[in-house]
Amino acid sequence: DVKVTQSSRYLVKRTGEKVFLECVQDMDHENMFWYRQDPGLGLRLIYFSYDVKMKEKGDIPEGYSVSREKKERFSLILESASTNQTSMYLCASNPIAGTSLYNSPLHFGNGTRLTVT
Amino acid sequence: SQQGEEDPQALSIQEGENATMNCSYKTSINNLQWYRQNSGRGLVHLILIRSNEREKHSGRLRVTLDTSKKSSSLLITASRAADTASYFCATDEGNTGFQKLVFGTGTRLLVSP
Repeated sequence: DVKVTQSSRYLVKRTGEKVFLECVQDMDHENMFWYRQDPGLGLRLIYFSYDVKMKEKGDIPEGYSVSREKKERFSLILESASTNQTSMYLCASNPIAGTSLYNSPLHFGNGTRLTVT
Repeated sequence: SQQGEEDPQALSIQEGENATMNCSYKTSINNLQWYRQNSGRGLVHLILIRSNEREKHSGRLRVTLDTSKKSSSLLITASRAADTASYFCATDEGNTGFQKLVFGTGTRLLVSP
């Protein structure tokens, strides 16, 4: 079974702090994604990566950056945390299957619930 | 409304009953996927149905896709308390350019013993 591991289940940070959310997958997947999930808004894509050192902006990249130095690891960075970044953050991965990023199912981690005070 | 809108928003049934959830979308798609999310956890993939398929089964799950109506349904037969979760459809927008997997806001299913 594919395992996507997010380093923290719960995180509390202060406004202005730099925050790192780590995600590791063990199935050699090319594609990795970061979503945030908020009540009433569903899942929104922050960034994705289809290869090492490659990254693409999603729908809501402002205030975030990402790093993919190794194939198995995709980090989300909040440069200066703000209260409106309080959310559930979900990492996902999937293998390449054709020309679309989404021809194969996404495998999600258990999420990191981040609270910024 | 959003691409991948689920209906109803909430559904409450008894164990043993069937549960049907619907999803509507707006643009052409390559495929449509259904996911389940238990409270406070990540999403788990259930079924992927491609745009040239009409029906797919997996255990107690049955998914249909009607591309002419831009809609899909997820049927869970003989539901169990363990099926209590939120269910999301996600559509792979078929347009070229920036690819997106768009999730709806989900149907919350409560199965009572």
